[in-house]
Amino acid sequence: KNQVEQSPQSLIILEGKNCTLQCNYTVSPFSNLRWYKQDTGRGPVSLTIMTFSENTKSNGRYTATLDADTKQSSLHITASQLSDSASYICVVSEKNDYKLSFGAGTTVTVRA
Amino acid sequence: GAGVSQSPSNKVTEKGKDVELRCDPISGHTALYWYRQSLGQGLEFLIYFQGNSAPDKSGLPSDRFSAERTGGSVSTLTIQRTQQEDSAVYLCASSRGYNYGYTFGSGTRLTVV
Repeated sequence: KNQVEQSPQSLIILEGKNCTLQCNYTVSPFSNLRWYKQDTGRGPVSLTIMTFSENTKSNGRYTATLDADTKQSSLHITASQLSDSASYICVVSEKNDYKLSFGAGTTVTVRA
Repeated sequence: GAGVSQSPSNKVTEKGKDVELRCDPISGHTALYWYRQSLGQGLEFLIYFQGNSAPDKSGLPSDRFSAERTGGSVSTLTIQRTQQEDSAVYLCASSRGYNYGYTFGSGTRLTVV
């Protein structure tokens, strides 16, 4: 059973607009949550990592939030650019465990 | 090297043939992972190497899959008697340890025809 659920599965936005991606998880005990960006034909690249005590983390136009009580995270993309077109993957780590739980990803398409 | 290198980037093979996929991790990274990514699915854990410890092979889907890591560096994932359901992107990642960031390679896209 997948312990990390992402929504929406895909979305299309116009260049310059904002969007928010959601991630819900059941992994416990929780260690950290990471958001990755995966361009087509490439491996995932880390955007943010948050531990239990952090509720927001920014990386340029990307802002991730974490609510460890409700086990929810979001990734907000501000002023989207064509280069933001990619799959965004939420990854959750269990405490003292090297295995990662991956969401299926949200495919974002930015159109001019 | 500067990043995790995987080869080949694409592999098309006939059903029943054996294939070898290679991963060259970042120098000094003691942890190495193999994952499988199928269309529309999250990454599936296959195997984990940490230093000289015995690898965690619990994610390997069948005994047709095996992996080794020589000298604590380069790793090879071998799939014997390939089946069409083996078609996927195989990703390798390395890290200084599981509490550190992971760097992924670009993957090998395997197509079994």
